[in-house]
Amino acid sequence: EAAVTQSPRNKVAVTGGKVTLSCNQTNNHNNMYWYRQDTGHGLRLIHYSYGAGSTEKGDIPDGYKASRPSQENFSLILELATPSQTSVYFCASGDDWGGADTGQLYFGEGSKLTVL
Amino acid sequence: GDSVTQTEGLVTLTKGLPVMLNCTYQTTYSPFLFWYVQHLNEAPKLLLKSSTDNKRTEHQGFYATLHKSSSSFHLQKSSVQLSDSALYFCALSDWSNYNVLYFGSGTKLTVEP
Repeated sequence: EAAVTQSPRNKVAVTGGKVTLSCNQTNNHNNMYWYRQDTGHGLRLIHYSYGAGSTEKGDIPDGYKASRPSQENFSLILELATPSQTSVYFCASGDDWGGADTGQLYFGEGSKLTVL
Repeated sequence: GDSVTQTEGLVTLTKGLPVMLNCTYQTTYSPFLFWYVQHLNEAPKLLLKSSTDNKRTEHQGFYATLHKSSSSFHLQKSSVQLSDSALYFCALSDWSNYNVLYFGSGTKLTVEP
């Protein structure tokens, strides 16, 4: 079974503080993603990566940075957290297209972030 | 850019009735469509997918047909069960940026006894 683990699972931060959400995958997938989930907005793509050392902007990258230091790890960084970034964040991994798993993303359990 | 529209935010049905959750999309490239399901306090999981026009795809009693002529990929089931209560997301990718999925806003399905 594919495995994506996120930490922390719950985080309370103060406005202006720095927050780092971490994601680790044991699937050996090249592609990793950060989404945020808000009621009425579904899952919105923040950043993604095609492999170690690469990061790409998604639909809503403002206020977020990403880091992919290795195949297994992908972090989301909020340098100056704001209350509008209160949300549930999901990390996912996925294989390159062309095989039977095309388009199948494996999600972590989510990280609930509250910014006060 | 690519976009996905799910018109129903909330659908409530009685067990045993049929359901159709709407999904339409916009893209200028050849599309690949997906349905993901998220049960309460769980991660989203792939339910079914298709890139073939006018071909029905099925999984776990759910089915959908990609219609490129109407840019639609509606999810259906003939008889819903209590365990089908969940959040359903339609998602789109295309061959111009095929490793990226764009999700709709989701439809919460509640099945009552």
